Amino acid sequence: EPEVTQTPSHQVTQMGQEVILRCVPISNHLYFYWYRQILGQKVEFLVSFYNNEISEKSEIFDDQFSVERPDGSNFTLKIRSTKLEDSAMYFCASSDTGGIKPQHFGDGTRLSIL
Amino acid sequence: DQQVKQNSPSLSVQEGRISILNCDYTNSMFDYFLWYKKYPAEGPTFLISISSIKDKNEDGRFTVFLNKSAKHLSLHIVPSQPGDSAVYFCAASENTDKLIFGTGTRLQVFP
Repeated sequence: EPEVTQTPSHQVTQMGQEVILRCVPISNHLYFYWYRQILGQKVEFLVSFYNNEISEKSEIFDDQFSVERPDGSNFTLKIRSTKLEDSAMYFCASSDTGGIKPQHFGDGTRLSIL
Repeated sequence: DQQVKQNSPSLSVQEGRISILNCDYTNSMFDYFLWYKKYPAEGPTFLISISSIKDKNEDGRFTVFLNKSAKHLSLHIVPSQPGDSAVYFCAASENTDKLIFGTGTRLQVFP
């Protein structure tokens, strides 16, 4: 069964450094998403991306965050200057259409900011 | 943001019996609801969904019921198996791609 894959599984970064989290969505999917889950809290929506542009973003997704689809297979989340509170599990998801269609998640990247 | 609530943090069920996981929501504009299962160190795995125009959807051992007047949905697993032990999340969306998740219910199925 096709999967969403995320790398790395664990990223440790010094506060203030830039970090890039990588995702390979399911190959025929057109809609891409990032979510995060801070330890002990809910899974929270960050951003959705379609047709090479952001279609929706949450309040969390401020100017420190950006997303990119640099080629036909990768989808990345960049955090420019990491803060301690960015420590969380970051999940990438994809779906073949938008709206009433399930999103399929990767196994996540655990981001630890020191 | 408490739009989607799962009030039971945990549930313990004997193998072979029915597991019923509950979810309440406050936003009457939600039009799509999903259940995900999550094992430790893995991402959420999609289980089953239902649109707001239906009140029931069934897929094998899994059935989701939607009661719009009560703003309540439930997931029934029957018969429960030890491999079903995981955290279950309900999620909802309002005509957008943004999923709003509940806090999860940890299900343990014991022999």
